[in-house]
Amino acid sequence: QKEVEQNSGPLSVPEGAIASLNCTYSDRVSQSFFWYRQYSGKSPELIMSIYSNGDKEDGRFTAQLNKASQYVSLLIRDSQPSDSATYLCAVKEKSTSYGKLTFGQGTILTVHP
Amino acid sequence: KAGVTQTPRYLIKTRGQQVTLSCSPISGHRSVSWYQQTPGQGLQFLFEYFSETQRNKGNFPGRFSGRQFSNSRSEMNVSTLELGDSALYLCASSLGQTLNEQFFGPGTRLTVL
Repeated sequence: QKEVEQNSGPLSVPEGAIASLNCTYSDRVSQSFFWYRQYSGKSPELIMSIYSNGDKEDGRFTAQLNKASQYVSLLIRDSQPSDSATYLCAVKEKSTSYGKLTFGQGTILTVHP
Repeated sequence: KAGVTQTPRYLIKTRGQQVTLSCSPISGHRSVSWYQQTPGQGLQFLFEYFSETQRNKGNFPGRFSGRQFSNSRSEMNVSTLELGDSALYLCASSLGQTLNEQFFGPGTRLTVL
């Protein structure tokens, strides 16, 4: 079992719709969870971080964390063509894993007009 | 505040050569993590430096090494290059505490011929 798994995609949604991206992780003591966006040919850009169970909203983005189910998700409301990118889920697995984030394989999102 | 900078942005080397990549973190950040990104393996953690000390290391051969200077700038070195070392090498900067977010530089694209 992979340490961090994301829904395989690719995911295609129409403009204005809600895009839902999902991620599960295997290490129960994971502490920190991040969503990065990566445009083709560019480096990952941090868009959300979440540390506690529940929802965290930032503009059109909502991150949801459920540590009991080892599940983290990202919702993008009112999706725009500019949201088309690869979304990477990253997990910091335990307190002694200094500087190490474990990434999922990414989900490619396409928002079509 | 200036972001993370990496030099050079592109490199072409031949098998057997060695290469040194440089990373300057965000001002005030003391932690630098290095990652390798390839289409097949995704983003994989190489190592992390904090205050000139390597705190964590991923599962890469000893040909991959790094160091950090007193001004927090970091370098990574790959010796005896192999074709499989062709990848995007990314460094990420953070404050270095347990829950801190990591911010990526633009990356160095290494091609080994």
